[in-house]
Amino acid sequence: NAGVMQNPRHLVRRRGQEARLRCSPMKGHSHVYWYRQLPEEGLKFMVYLQKENIIDESGMPKERFSAEFPKEGPSILRIQQVVRGDSAAYFCASSRGTGELAQYFGPGTRLLVL
Amino acid sequence: DQQVKQNSPSLSVQEGRISILNCDYTNSMFDYFLWYKKYPAEGPTFLISISSIKDKNEDGRFTVFLNKSAKHLSLHIVPSQPGDSAVYFCAASRDTGNQFYFGTGTSLTVIP
Repeated sequence: NAGVMQNPRHLVRRRGQEARLRCSPMKGHSHVYWYRQLPEEGLKFMVYLQKENIIDESGMPKERFSAEFPKEGPSILRIQQVVRGDSAAYFCASSRGTGELAQYFGPGTRLLVL
Repeated sequence: DQQVKQNSPSLSVQEGRISILNCDYTNSMFDYFLWYKKYPAEGPTFLISISSIKDKNEDGRFTVFLNKSAKHLSLHIVPSQPGDSAVYFCAASRDTGNQFYFGTGTSLTVIP
């Protein structure tokens, strides 16, 4: 039973490029969450999605960041025109949804912006 | 605004002894709490949870205690083992299926 999958595990981008981070939730999970961890900090919530719907994006920066979870395929976190401050570990978690207490995390994508 | 706080960045414990990791929160609306364990270069792994209707939940060597009046949560690991060495995060949520607010983590080292 595969866990939450994220790819790529490491991503290097130059300033101004786009970064696309992918997350496949656990089988049977229809809720996806994206978190960001900056160096020396805890995980910060970014966005919560269900299939084809954004439920809560209160943690997403207003510009350059977007997320989707299409009917088919993985969830995508997209960062346009990356800046050095975007360098962080981005974690995806999934859950069954309402009533499910725990969120299960993927291994993360480490983004480095040069 | 850090709504979940772990004030001890690190903790060292001798193997076989008890490890106590603490967590404080400010939002009285939080009603679900979780502890995660994280190794370097890996995602957090769910350990144990507790809802606000309980004050204790036990799973093997891990016990979580919740003191709602003090807005305080603790994780007890007994006996501690070297494999428990990791960063531990507490997290809180207002309801299931919603975002969790994470503390900054406590790095536990269990000395053989």
